Amino acid sequence: ETGVTQTPRHLVMGMTNKKSLKCEQHLGHNAMYWYKQSAKKPLELMFVYSLEERVENNSVPSRFSPECPNSSHLFLHLHTLQPEDSALYLCASSQVSDSTDTQYFGPGTRLTVL
Amino acid sequence: GESVGLHLPTLSVQEGDNSIINCAYSNSASDYFIWYKQESGKGPQFIIDIRSNMDKRQGQRVTVLLNKTVKHLSLQIAATQPGDSAVYFCPRGSARQLTFGSGTQLTVLP
Repeated sequence: ETGVTQTPRHLVMGMTNKKSLKCEQHLGHNAMYWYKQSAKKPLELMFVYSLEERVENNSVPSRFSPECPNSSHLFLHLHTLQPEDSALYLCASSQVSDSTDTQYFGPGTRLTVL
Repeated sequence: GESVGLHLPTLSVQEGDNSIINCAYSNSASDYFIWYKQESGKGPQFIIDIRSNMDKRQGQRVTVLLNKTVKHLSLQIAATQPGDSAVYFCPRGSARQLTFGSGTQLTVLP
């Protein structure tokens, strides 16, 4: 579990707040991902960064803004969120040159929007 | 539409018995399949993967079988332990894309 770390582990915020989620991978990978996991729903891919460039954006609302300053760090900036954005936000990383491109996940940030 | 891993939602097994978790898919255009385990309050944990040109792969206490004829994937866990209680996913992978289904909740009974 220490390969991919996420902070904070829990976050409660109001709809007018601005906060950021942080992810760090210690695996030497070159791709990082943000997923959203809501209750009773499958994991939803939000963003993909490969070699620090965003390569996927699955029509996520603009109130979620990712940032990937280098291959080891990934942020998700949050502003003007809605209660339905409450979920577990998971970060993952992978080595895209690997034959199976297996993604390794962090423990997640449990976000509650009041 | 494309299936991404249809699961039975729940499975209960007695501690010490073997568990078999099944997964079906509808589209064969996938490079590999991965099994993840997610315990309550944690992120998904990689268990084992199998490339689409293989039929079987074994790990520690786990075996994954891929039957491309019937488009079926299974995860077998030997001597199931309480720590195996979790939700199991079999997303399909291809070029940075993992598509998840809803998973199977495995409960190990004492």
